[in-house]
Amino acid sequence: QKEVEQNSGPLSVPEGAIASLNCTYSDRGSQSFFWYRQYSGKSPELIMFIYSNGDKEDGRFTAQLNKASQYVSLLIRDSQPSDSATYLCAVNEGTNAGKSTFGDGTTLTVKP
Amino acid sequence: DAGVIQSPRHEVTEMGQEVTLRCKPISGHDYLFWYRQTMMRGLELLIYFNNNVPIDDSGMPEDRFSAKMPNASFSTLKIQPSEPRDSAVYFCASSSTEKNTEAFFGQGTRLTVV
Repeated sequence: QKEVEQNSGPLSVPEGAIASLNCTYSDRGSQSFFWYRQYSGKSPELIMFIYSNGDKEDGRFTAQLNKASQYVSLLIRDSQPSDSATYLCAVNEGTNAGKSTFGDGTTLTVKP
Repeated sequence: DAGVIQSPRHEVTEMGQEVTLRCKPISGHDYLFWYRQTMMRGLELLIYFNNNVPIDDSGMPEDRFSAKMPNASFSTLKIQPSEPRDSAVYFCASSSTEKNTEAFFGQGTRLTVV
């Protein structure tokens, strides 16, 4: 079993819909959780991080964390074609974003 | 700041040759990370440095891989001898202790070993 698992995808949603990306992790000692977006042929860029159980909102993005269930998700509201990318979930036993274990990613396509 | 700078962007080499990848972190960042990304294994942390000192190299796949950071503004990842299974995109990233909630990635080096 991989340490960080993401829904396999690909995921396709119509423009304006809510896209839901899910991630589970195996290490109960994990402390911080990151979502990266990676466009094809580009490098990963951080969208959000979350440390505490519950929801964290930033614009159209909401990260949700449930440590008891070892589950973290990313919701994208009002999805736009420019959101089409691969989304990587990263899990960390500390707080330094670079020392993370990454999932394989979920590829999202937003259709106009 | 120009961000994390990696060179070369693309490298094609023959099996058995030595390959050196280069990285210039963001000025002032004290952490530097080397990652490898493949379709099969995803994005993997190979090694990271803090204040130019290697802290954890447990992700380095084999002794053929080595990394150095001679100063705060330069790091290299060397593969000697290279093999076709080393073909991947290699990313360098940096972060700072003061704001460690974000690691900034370079544009990557796409390595092809034929």
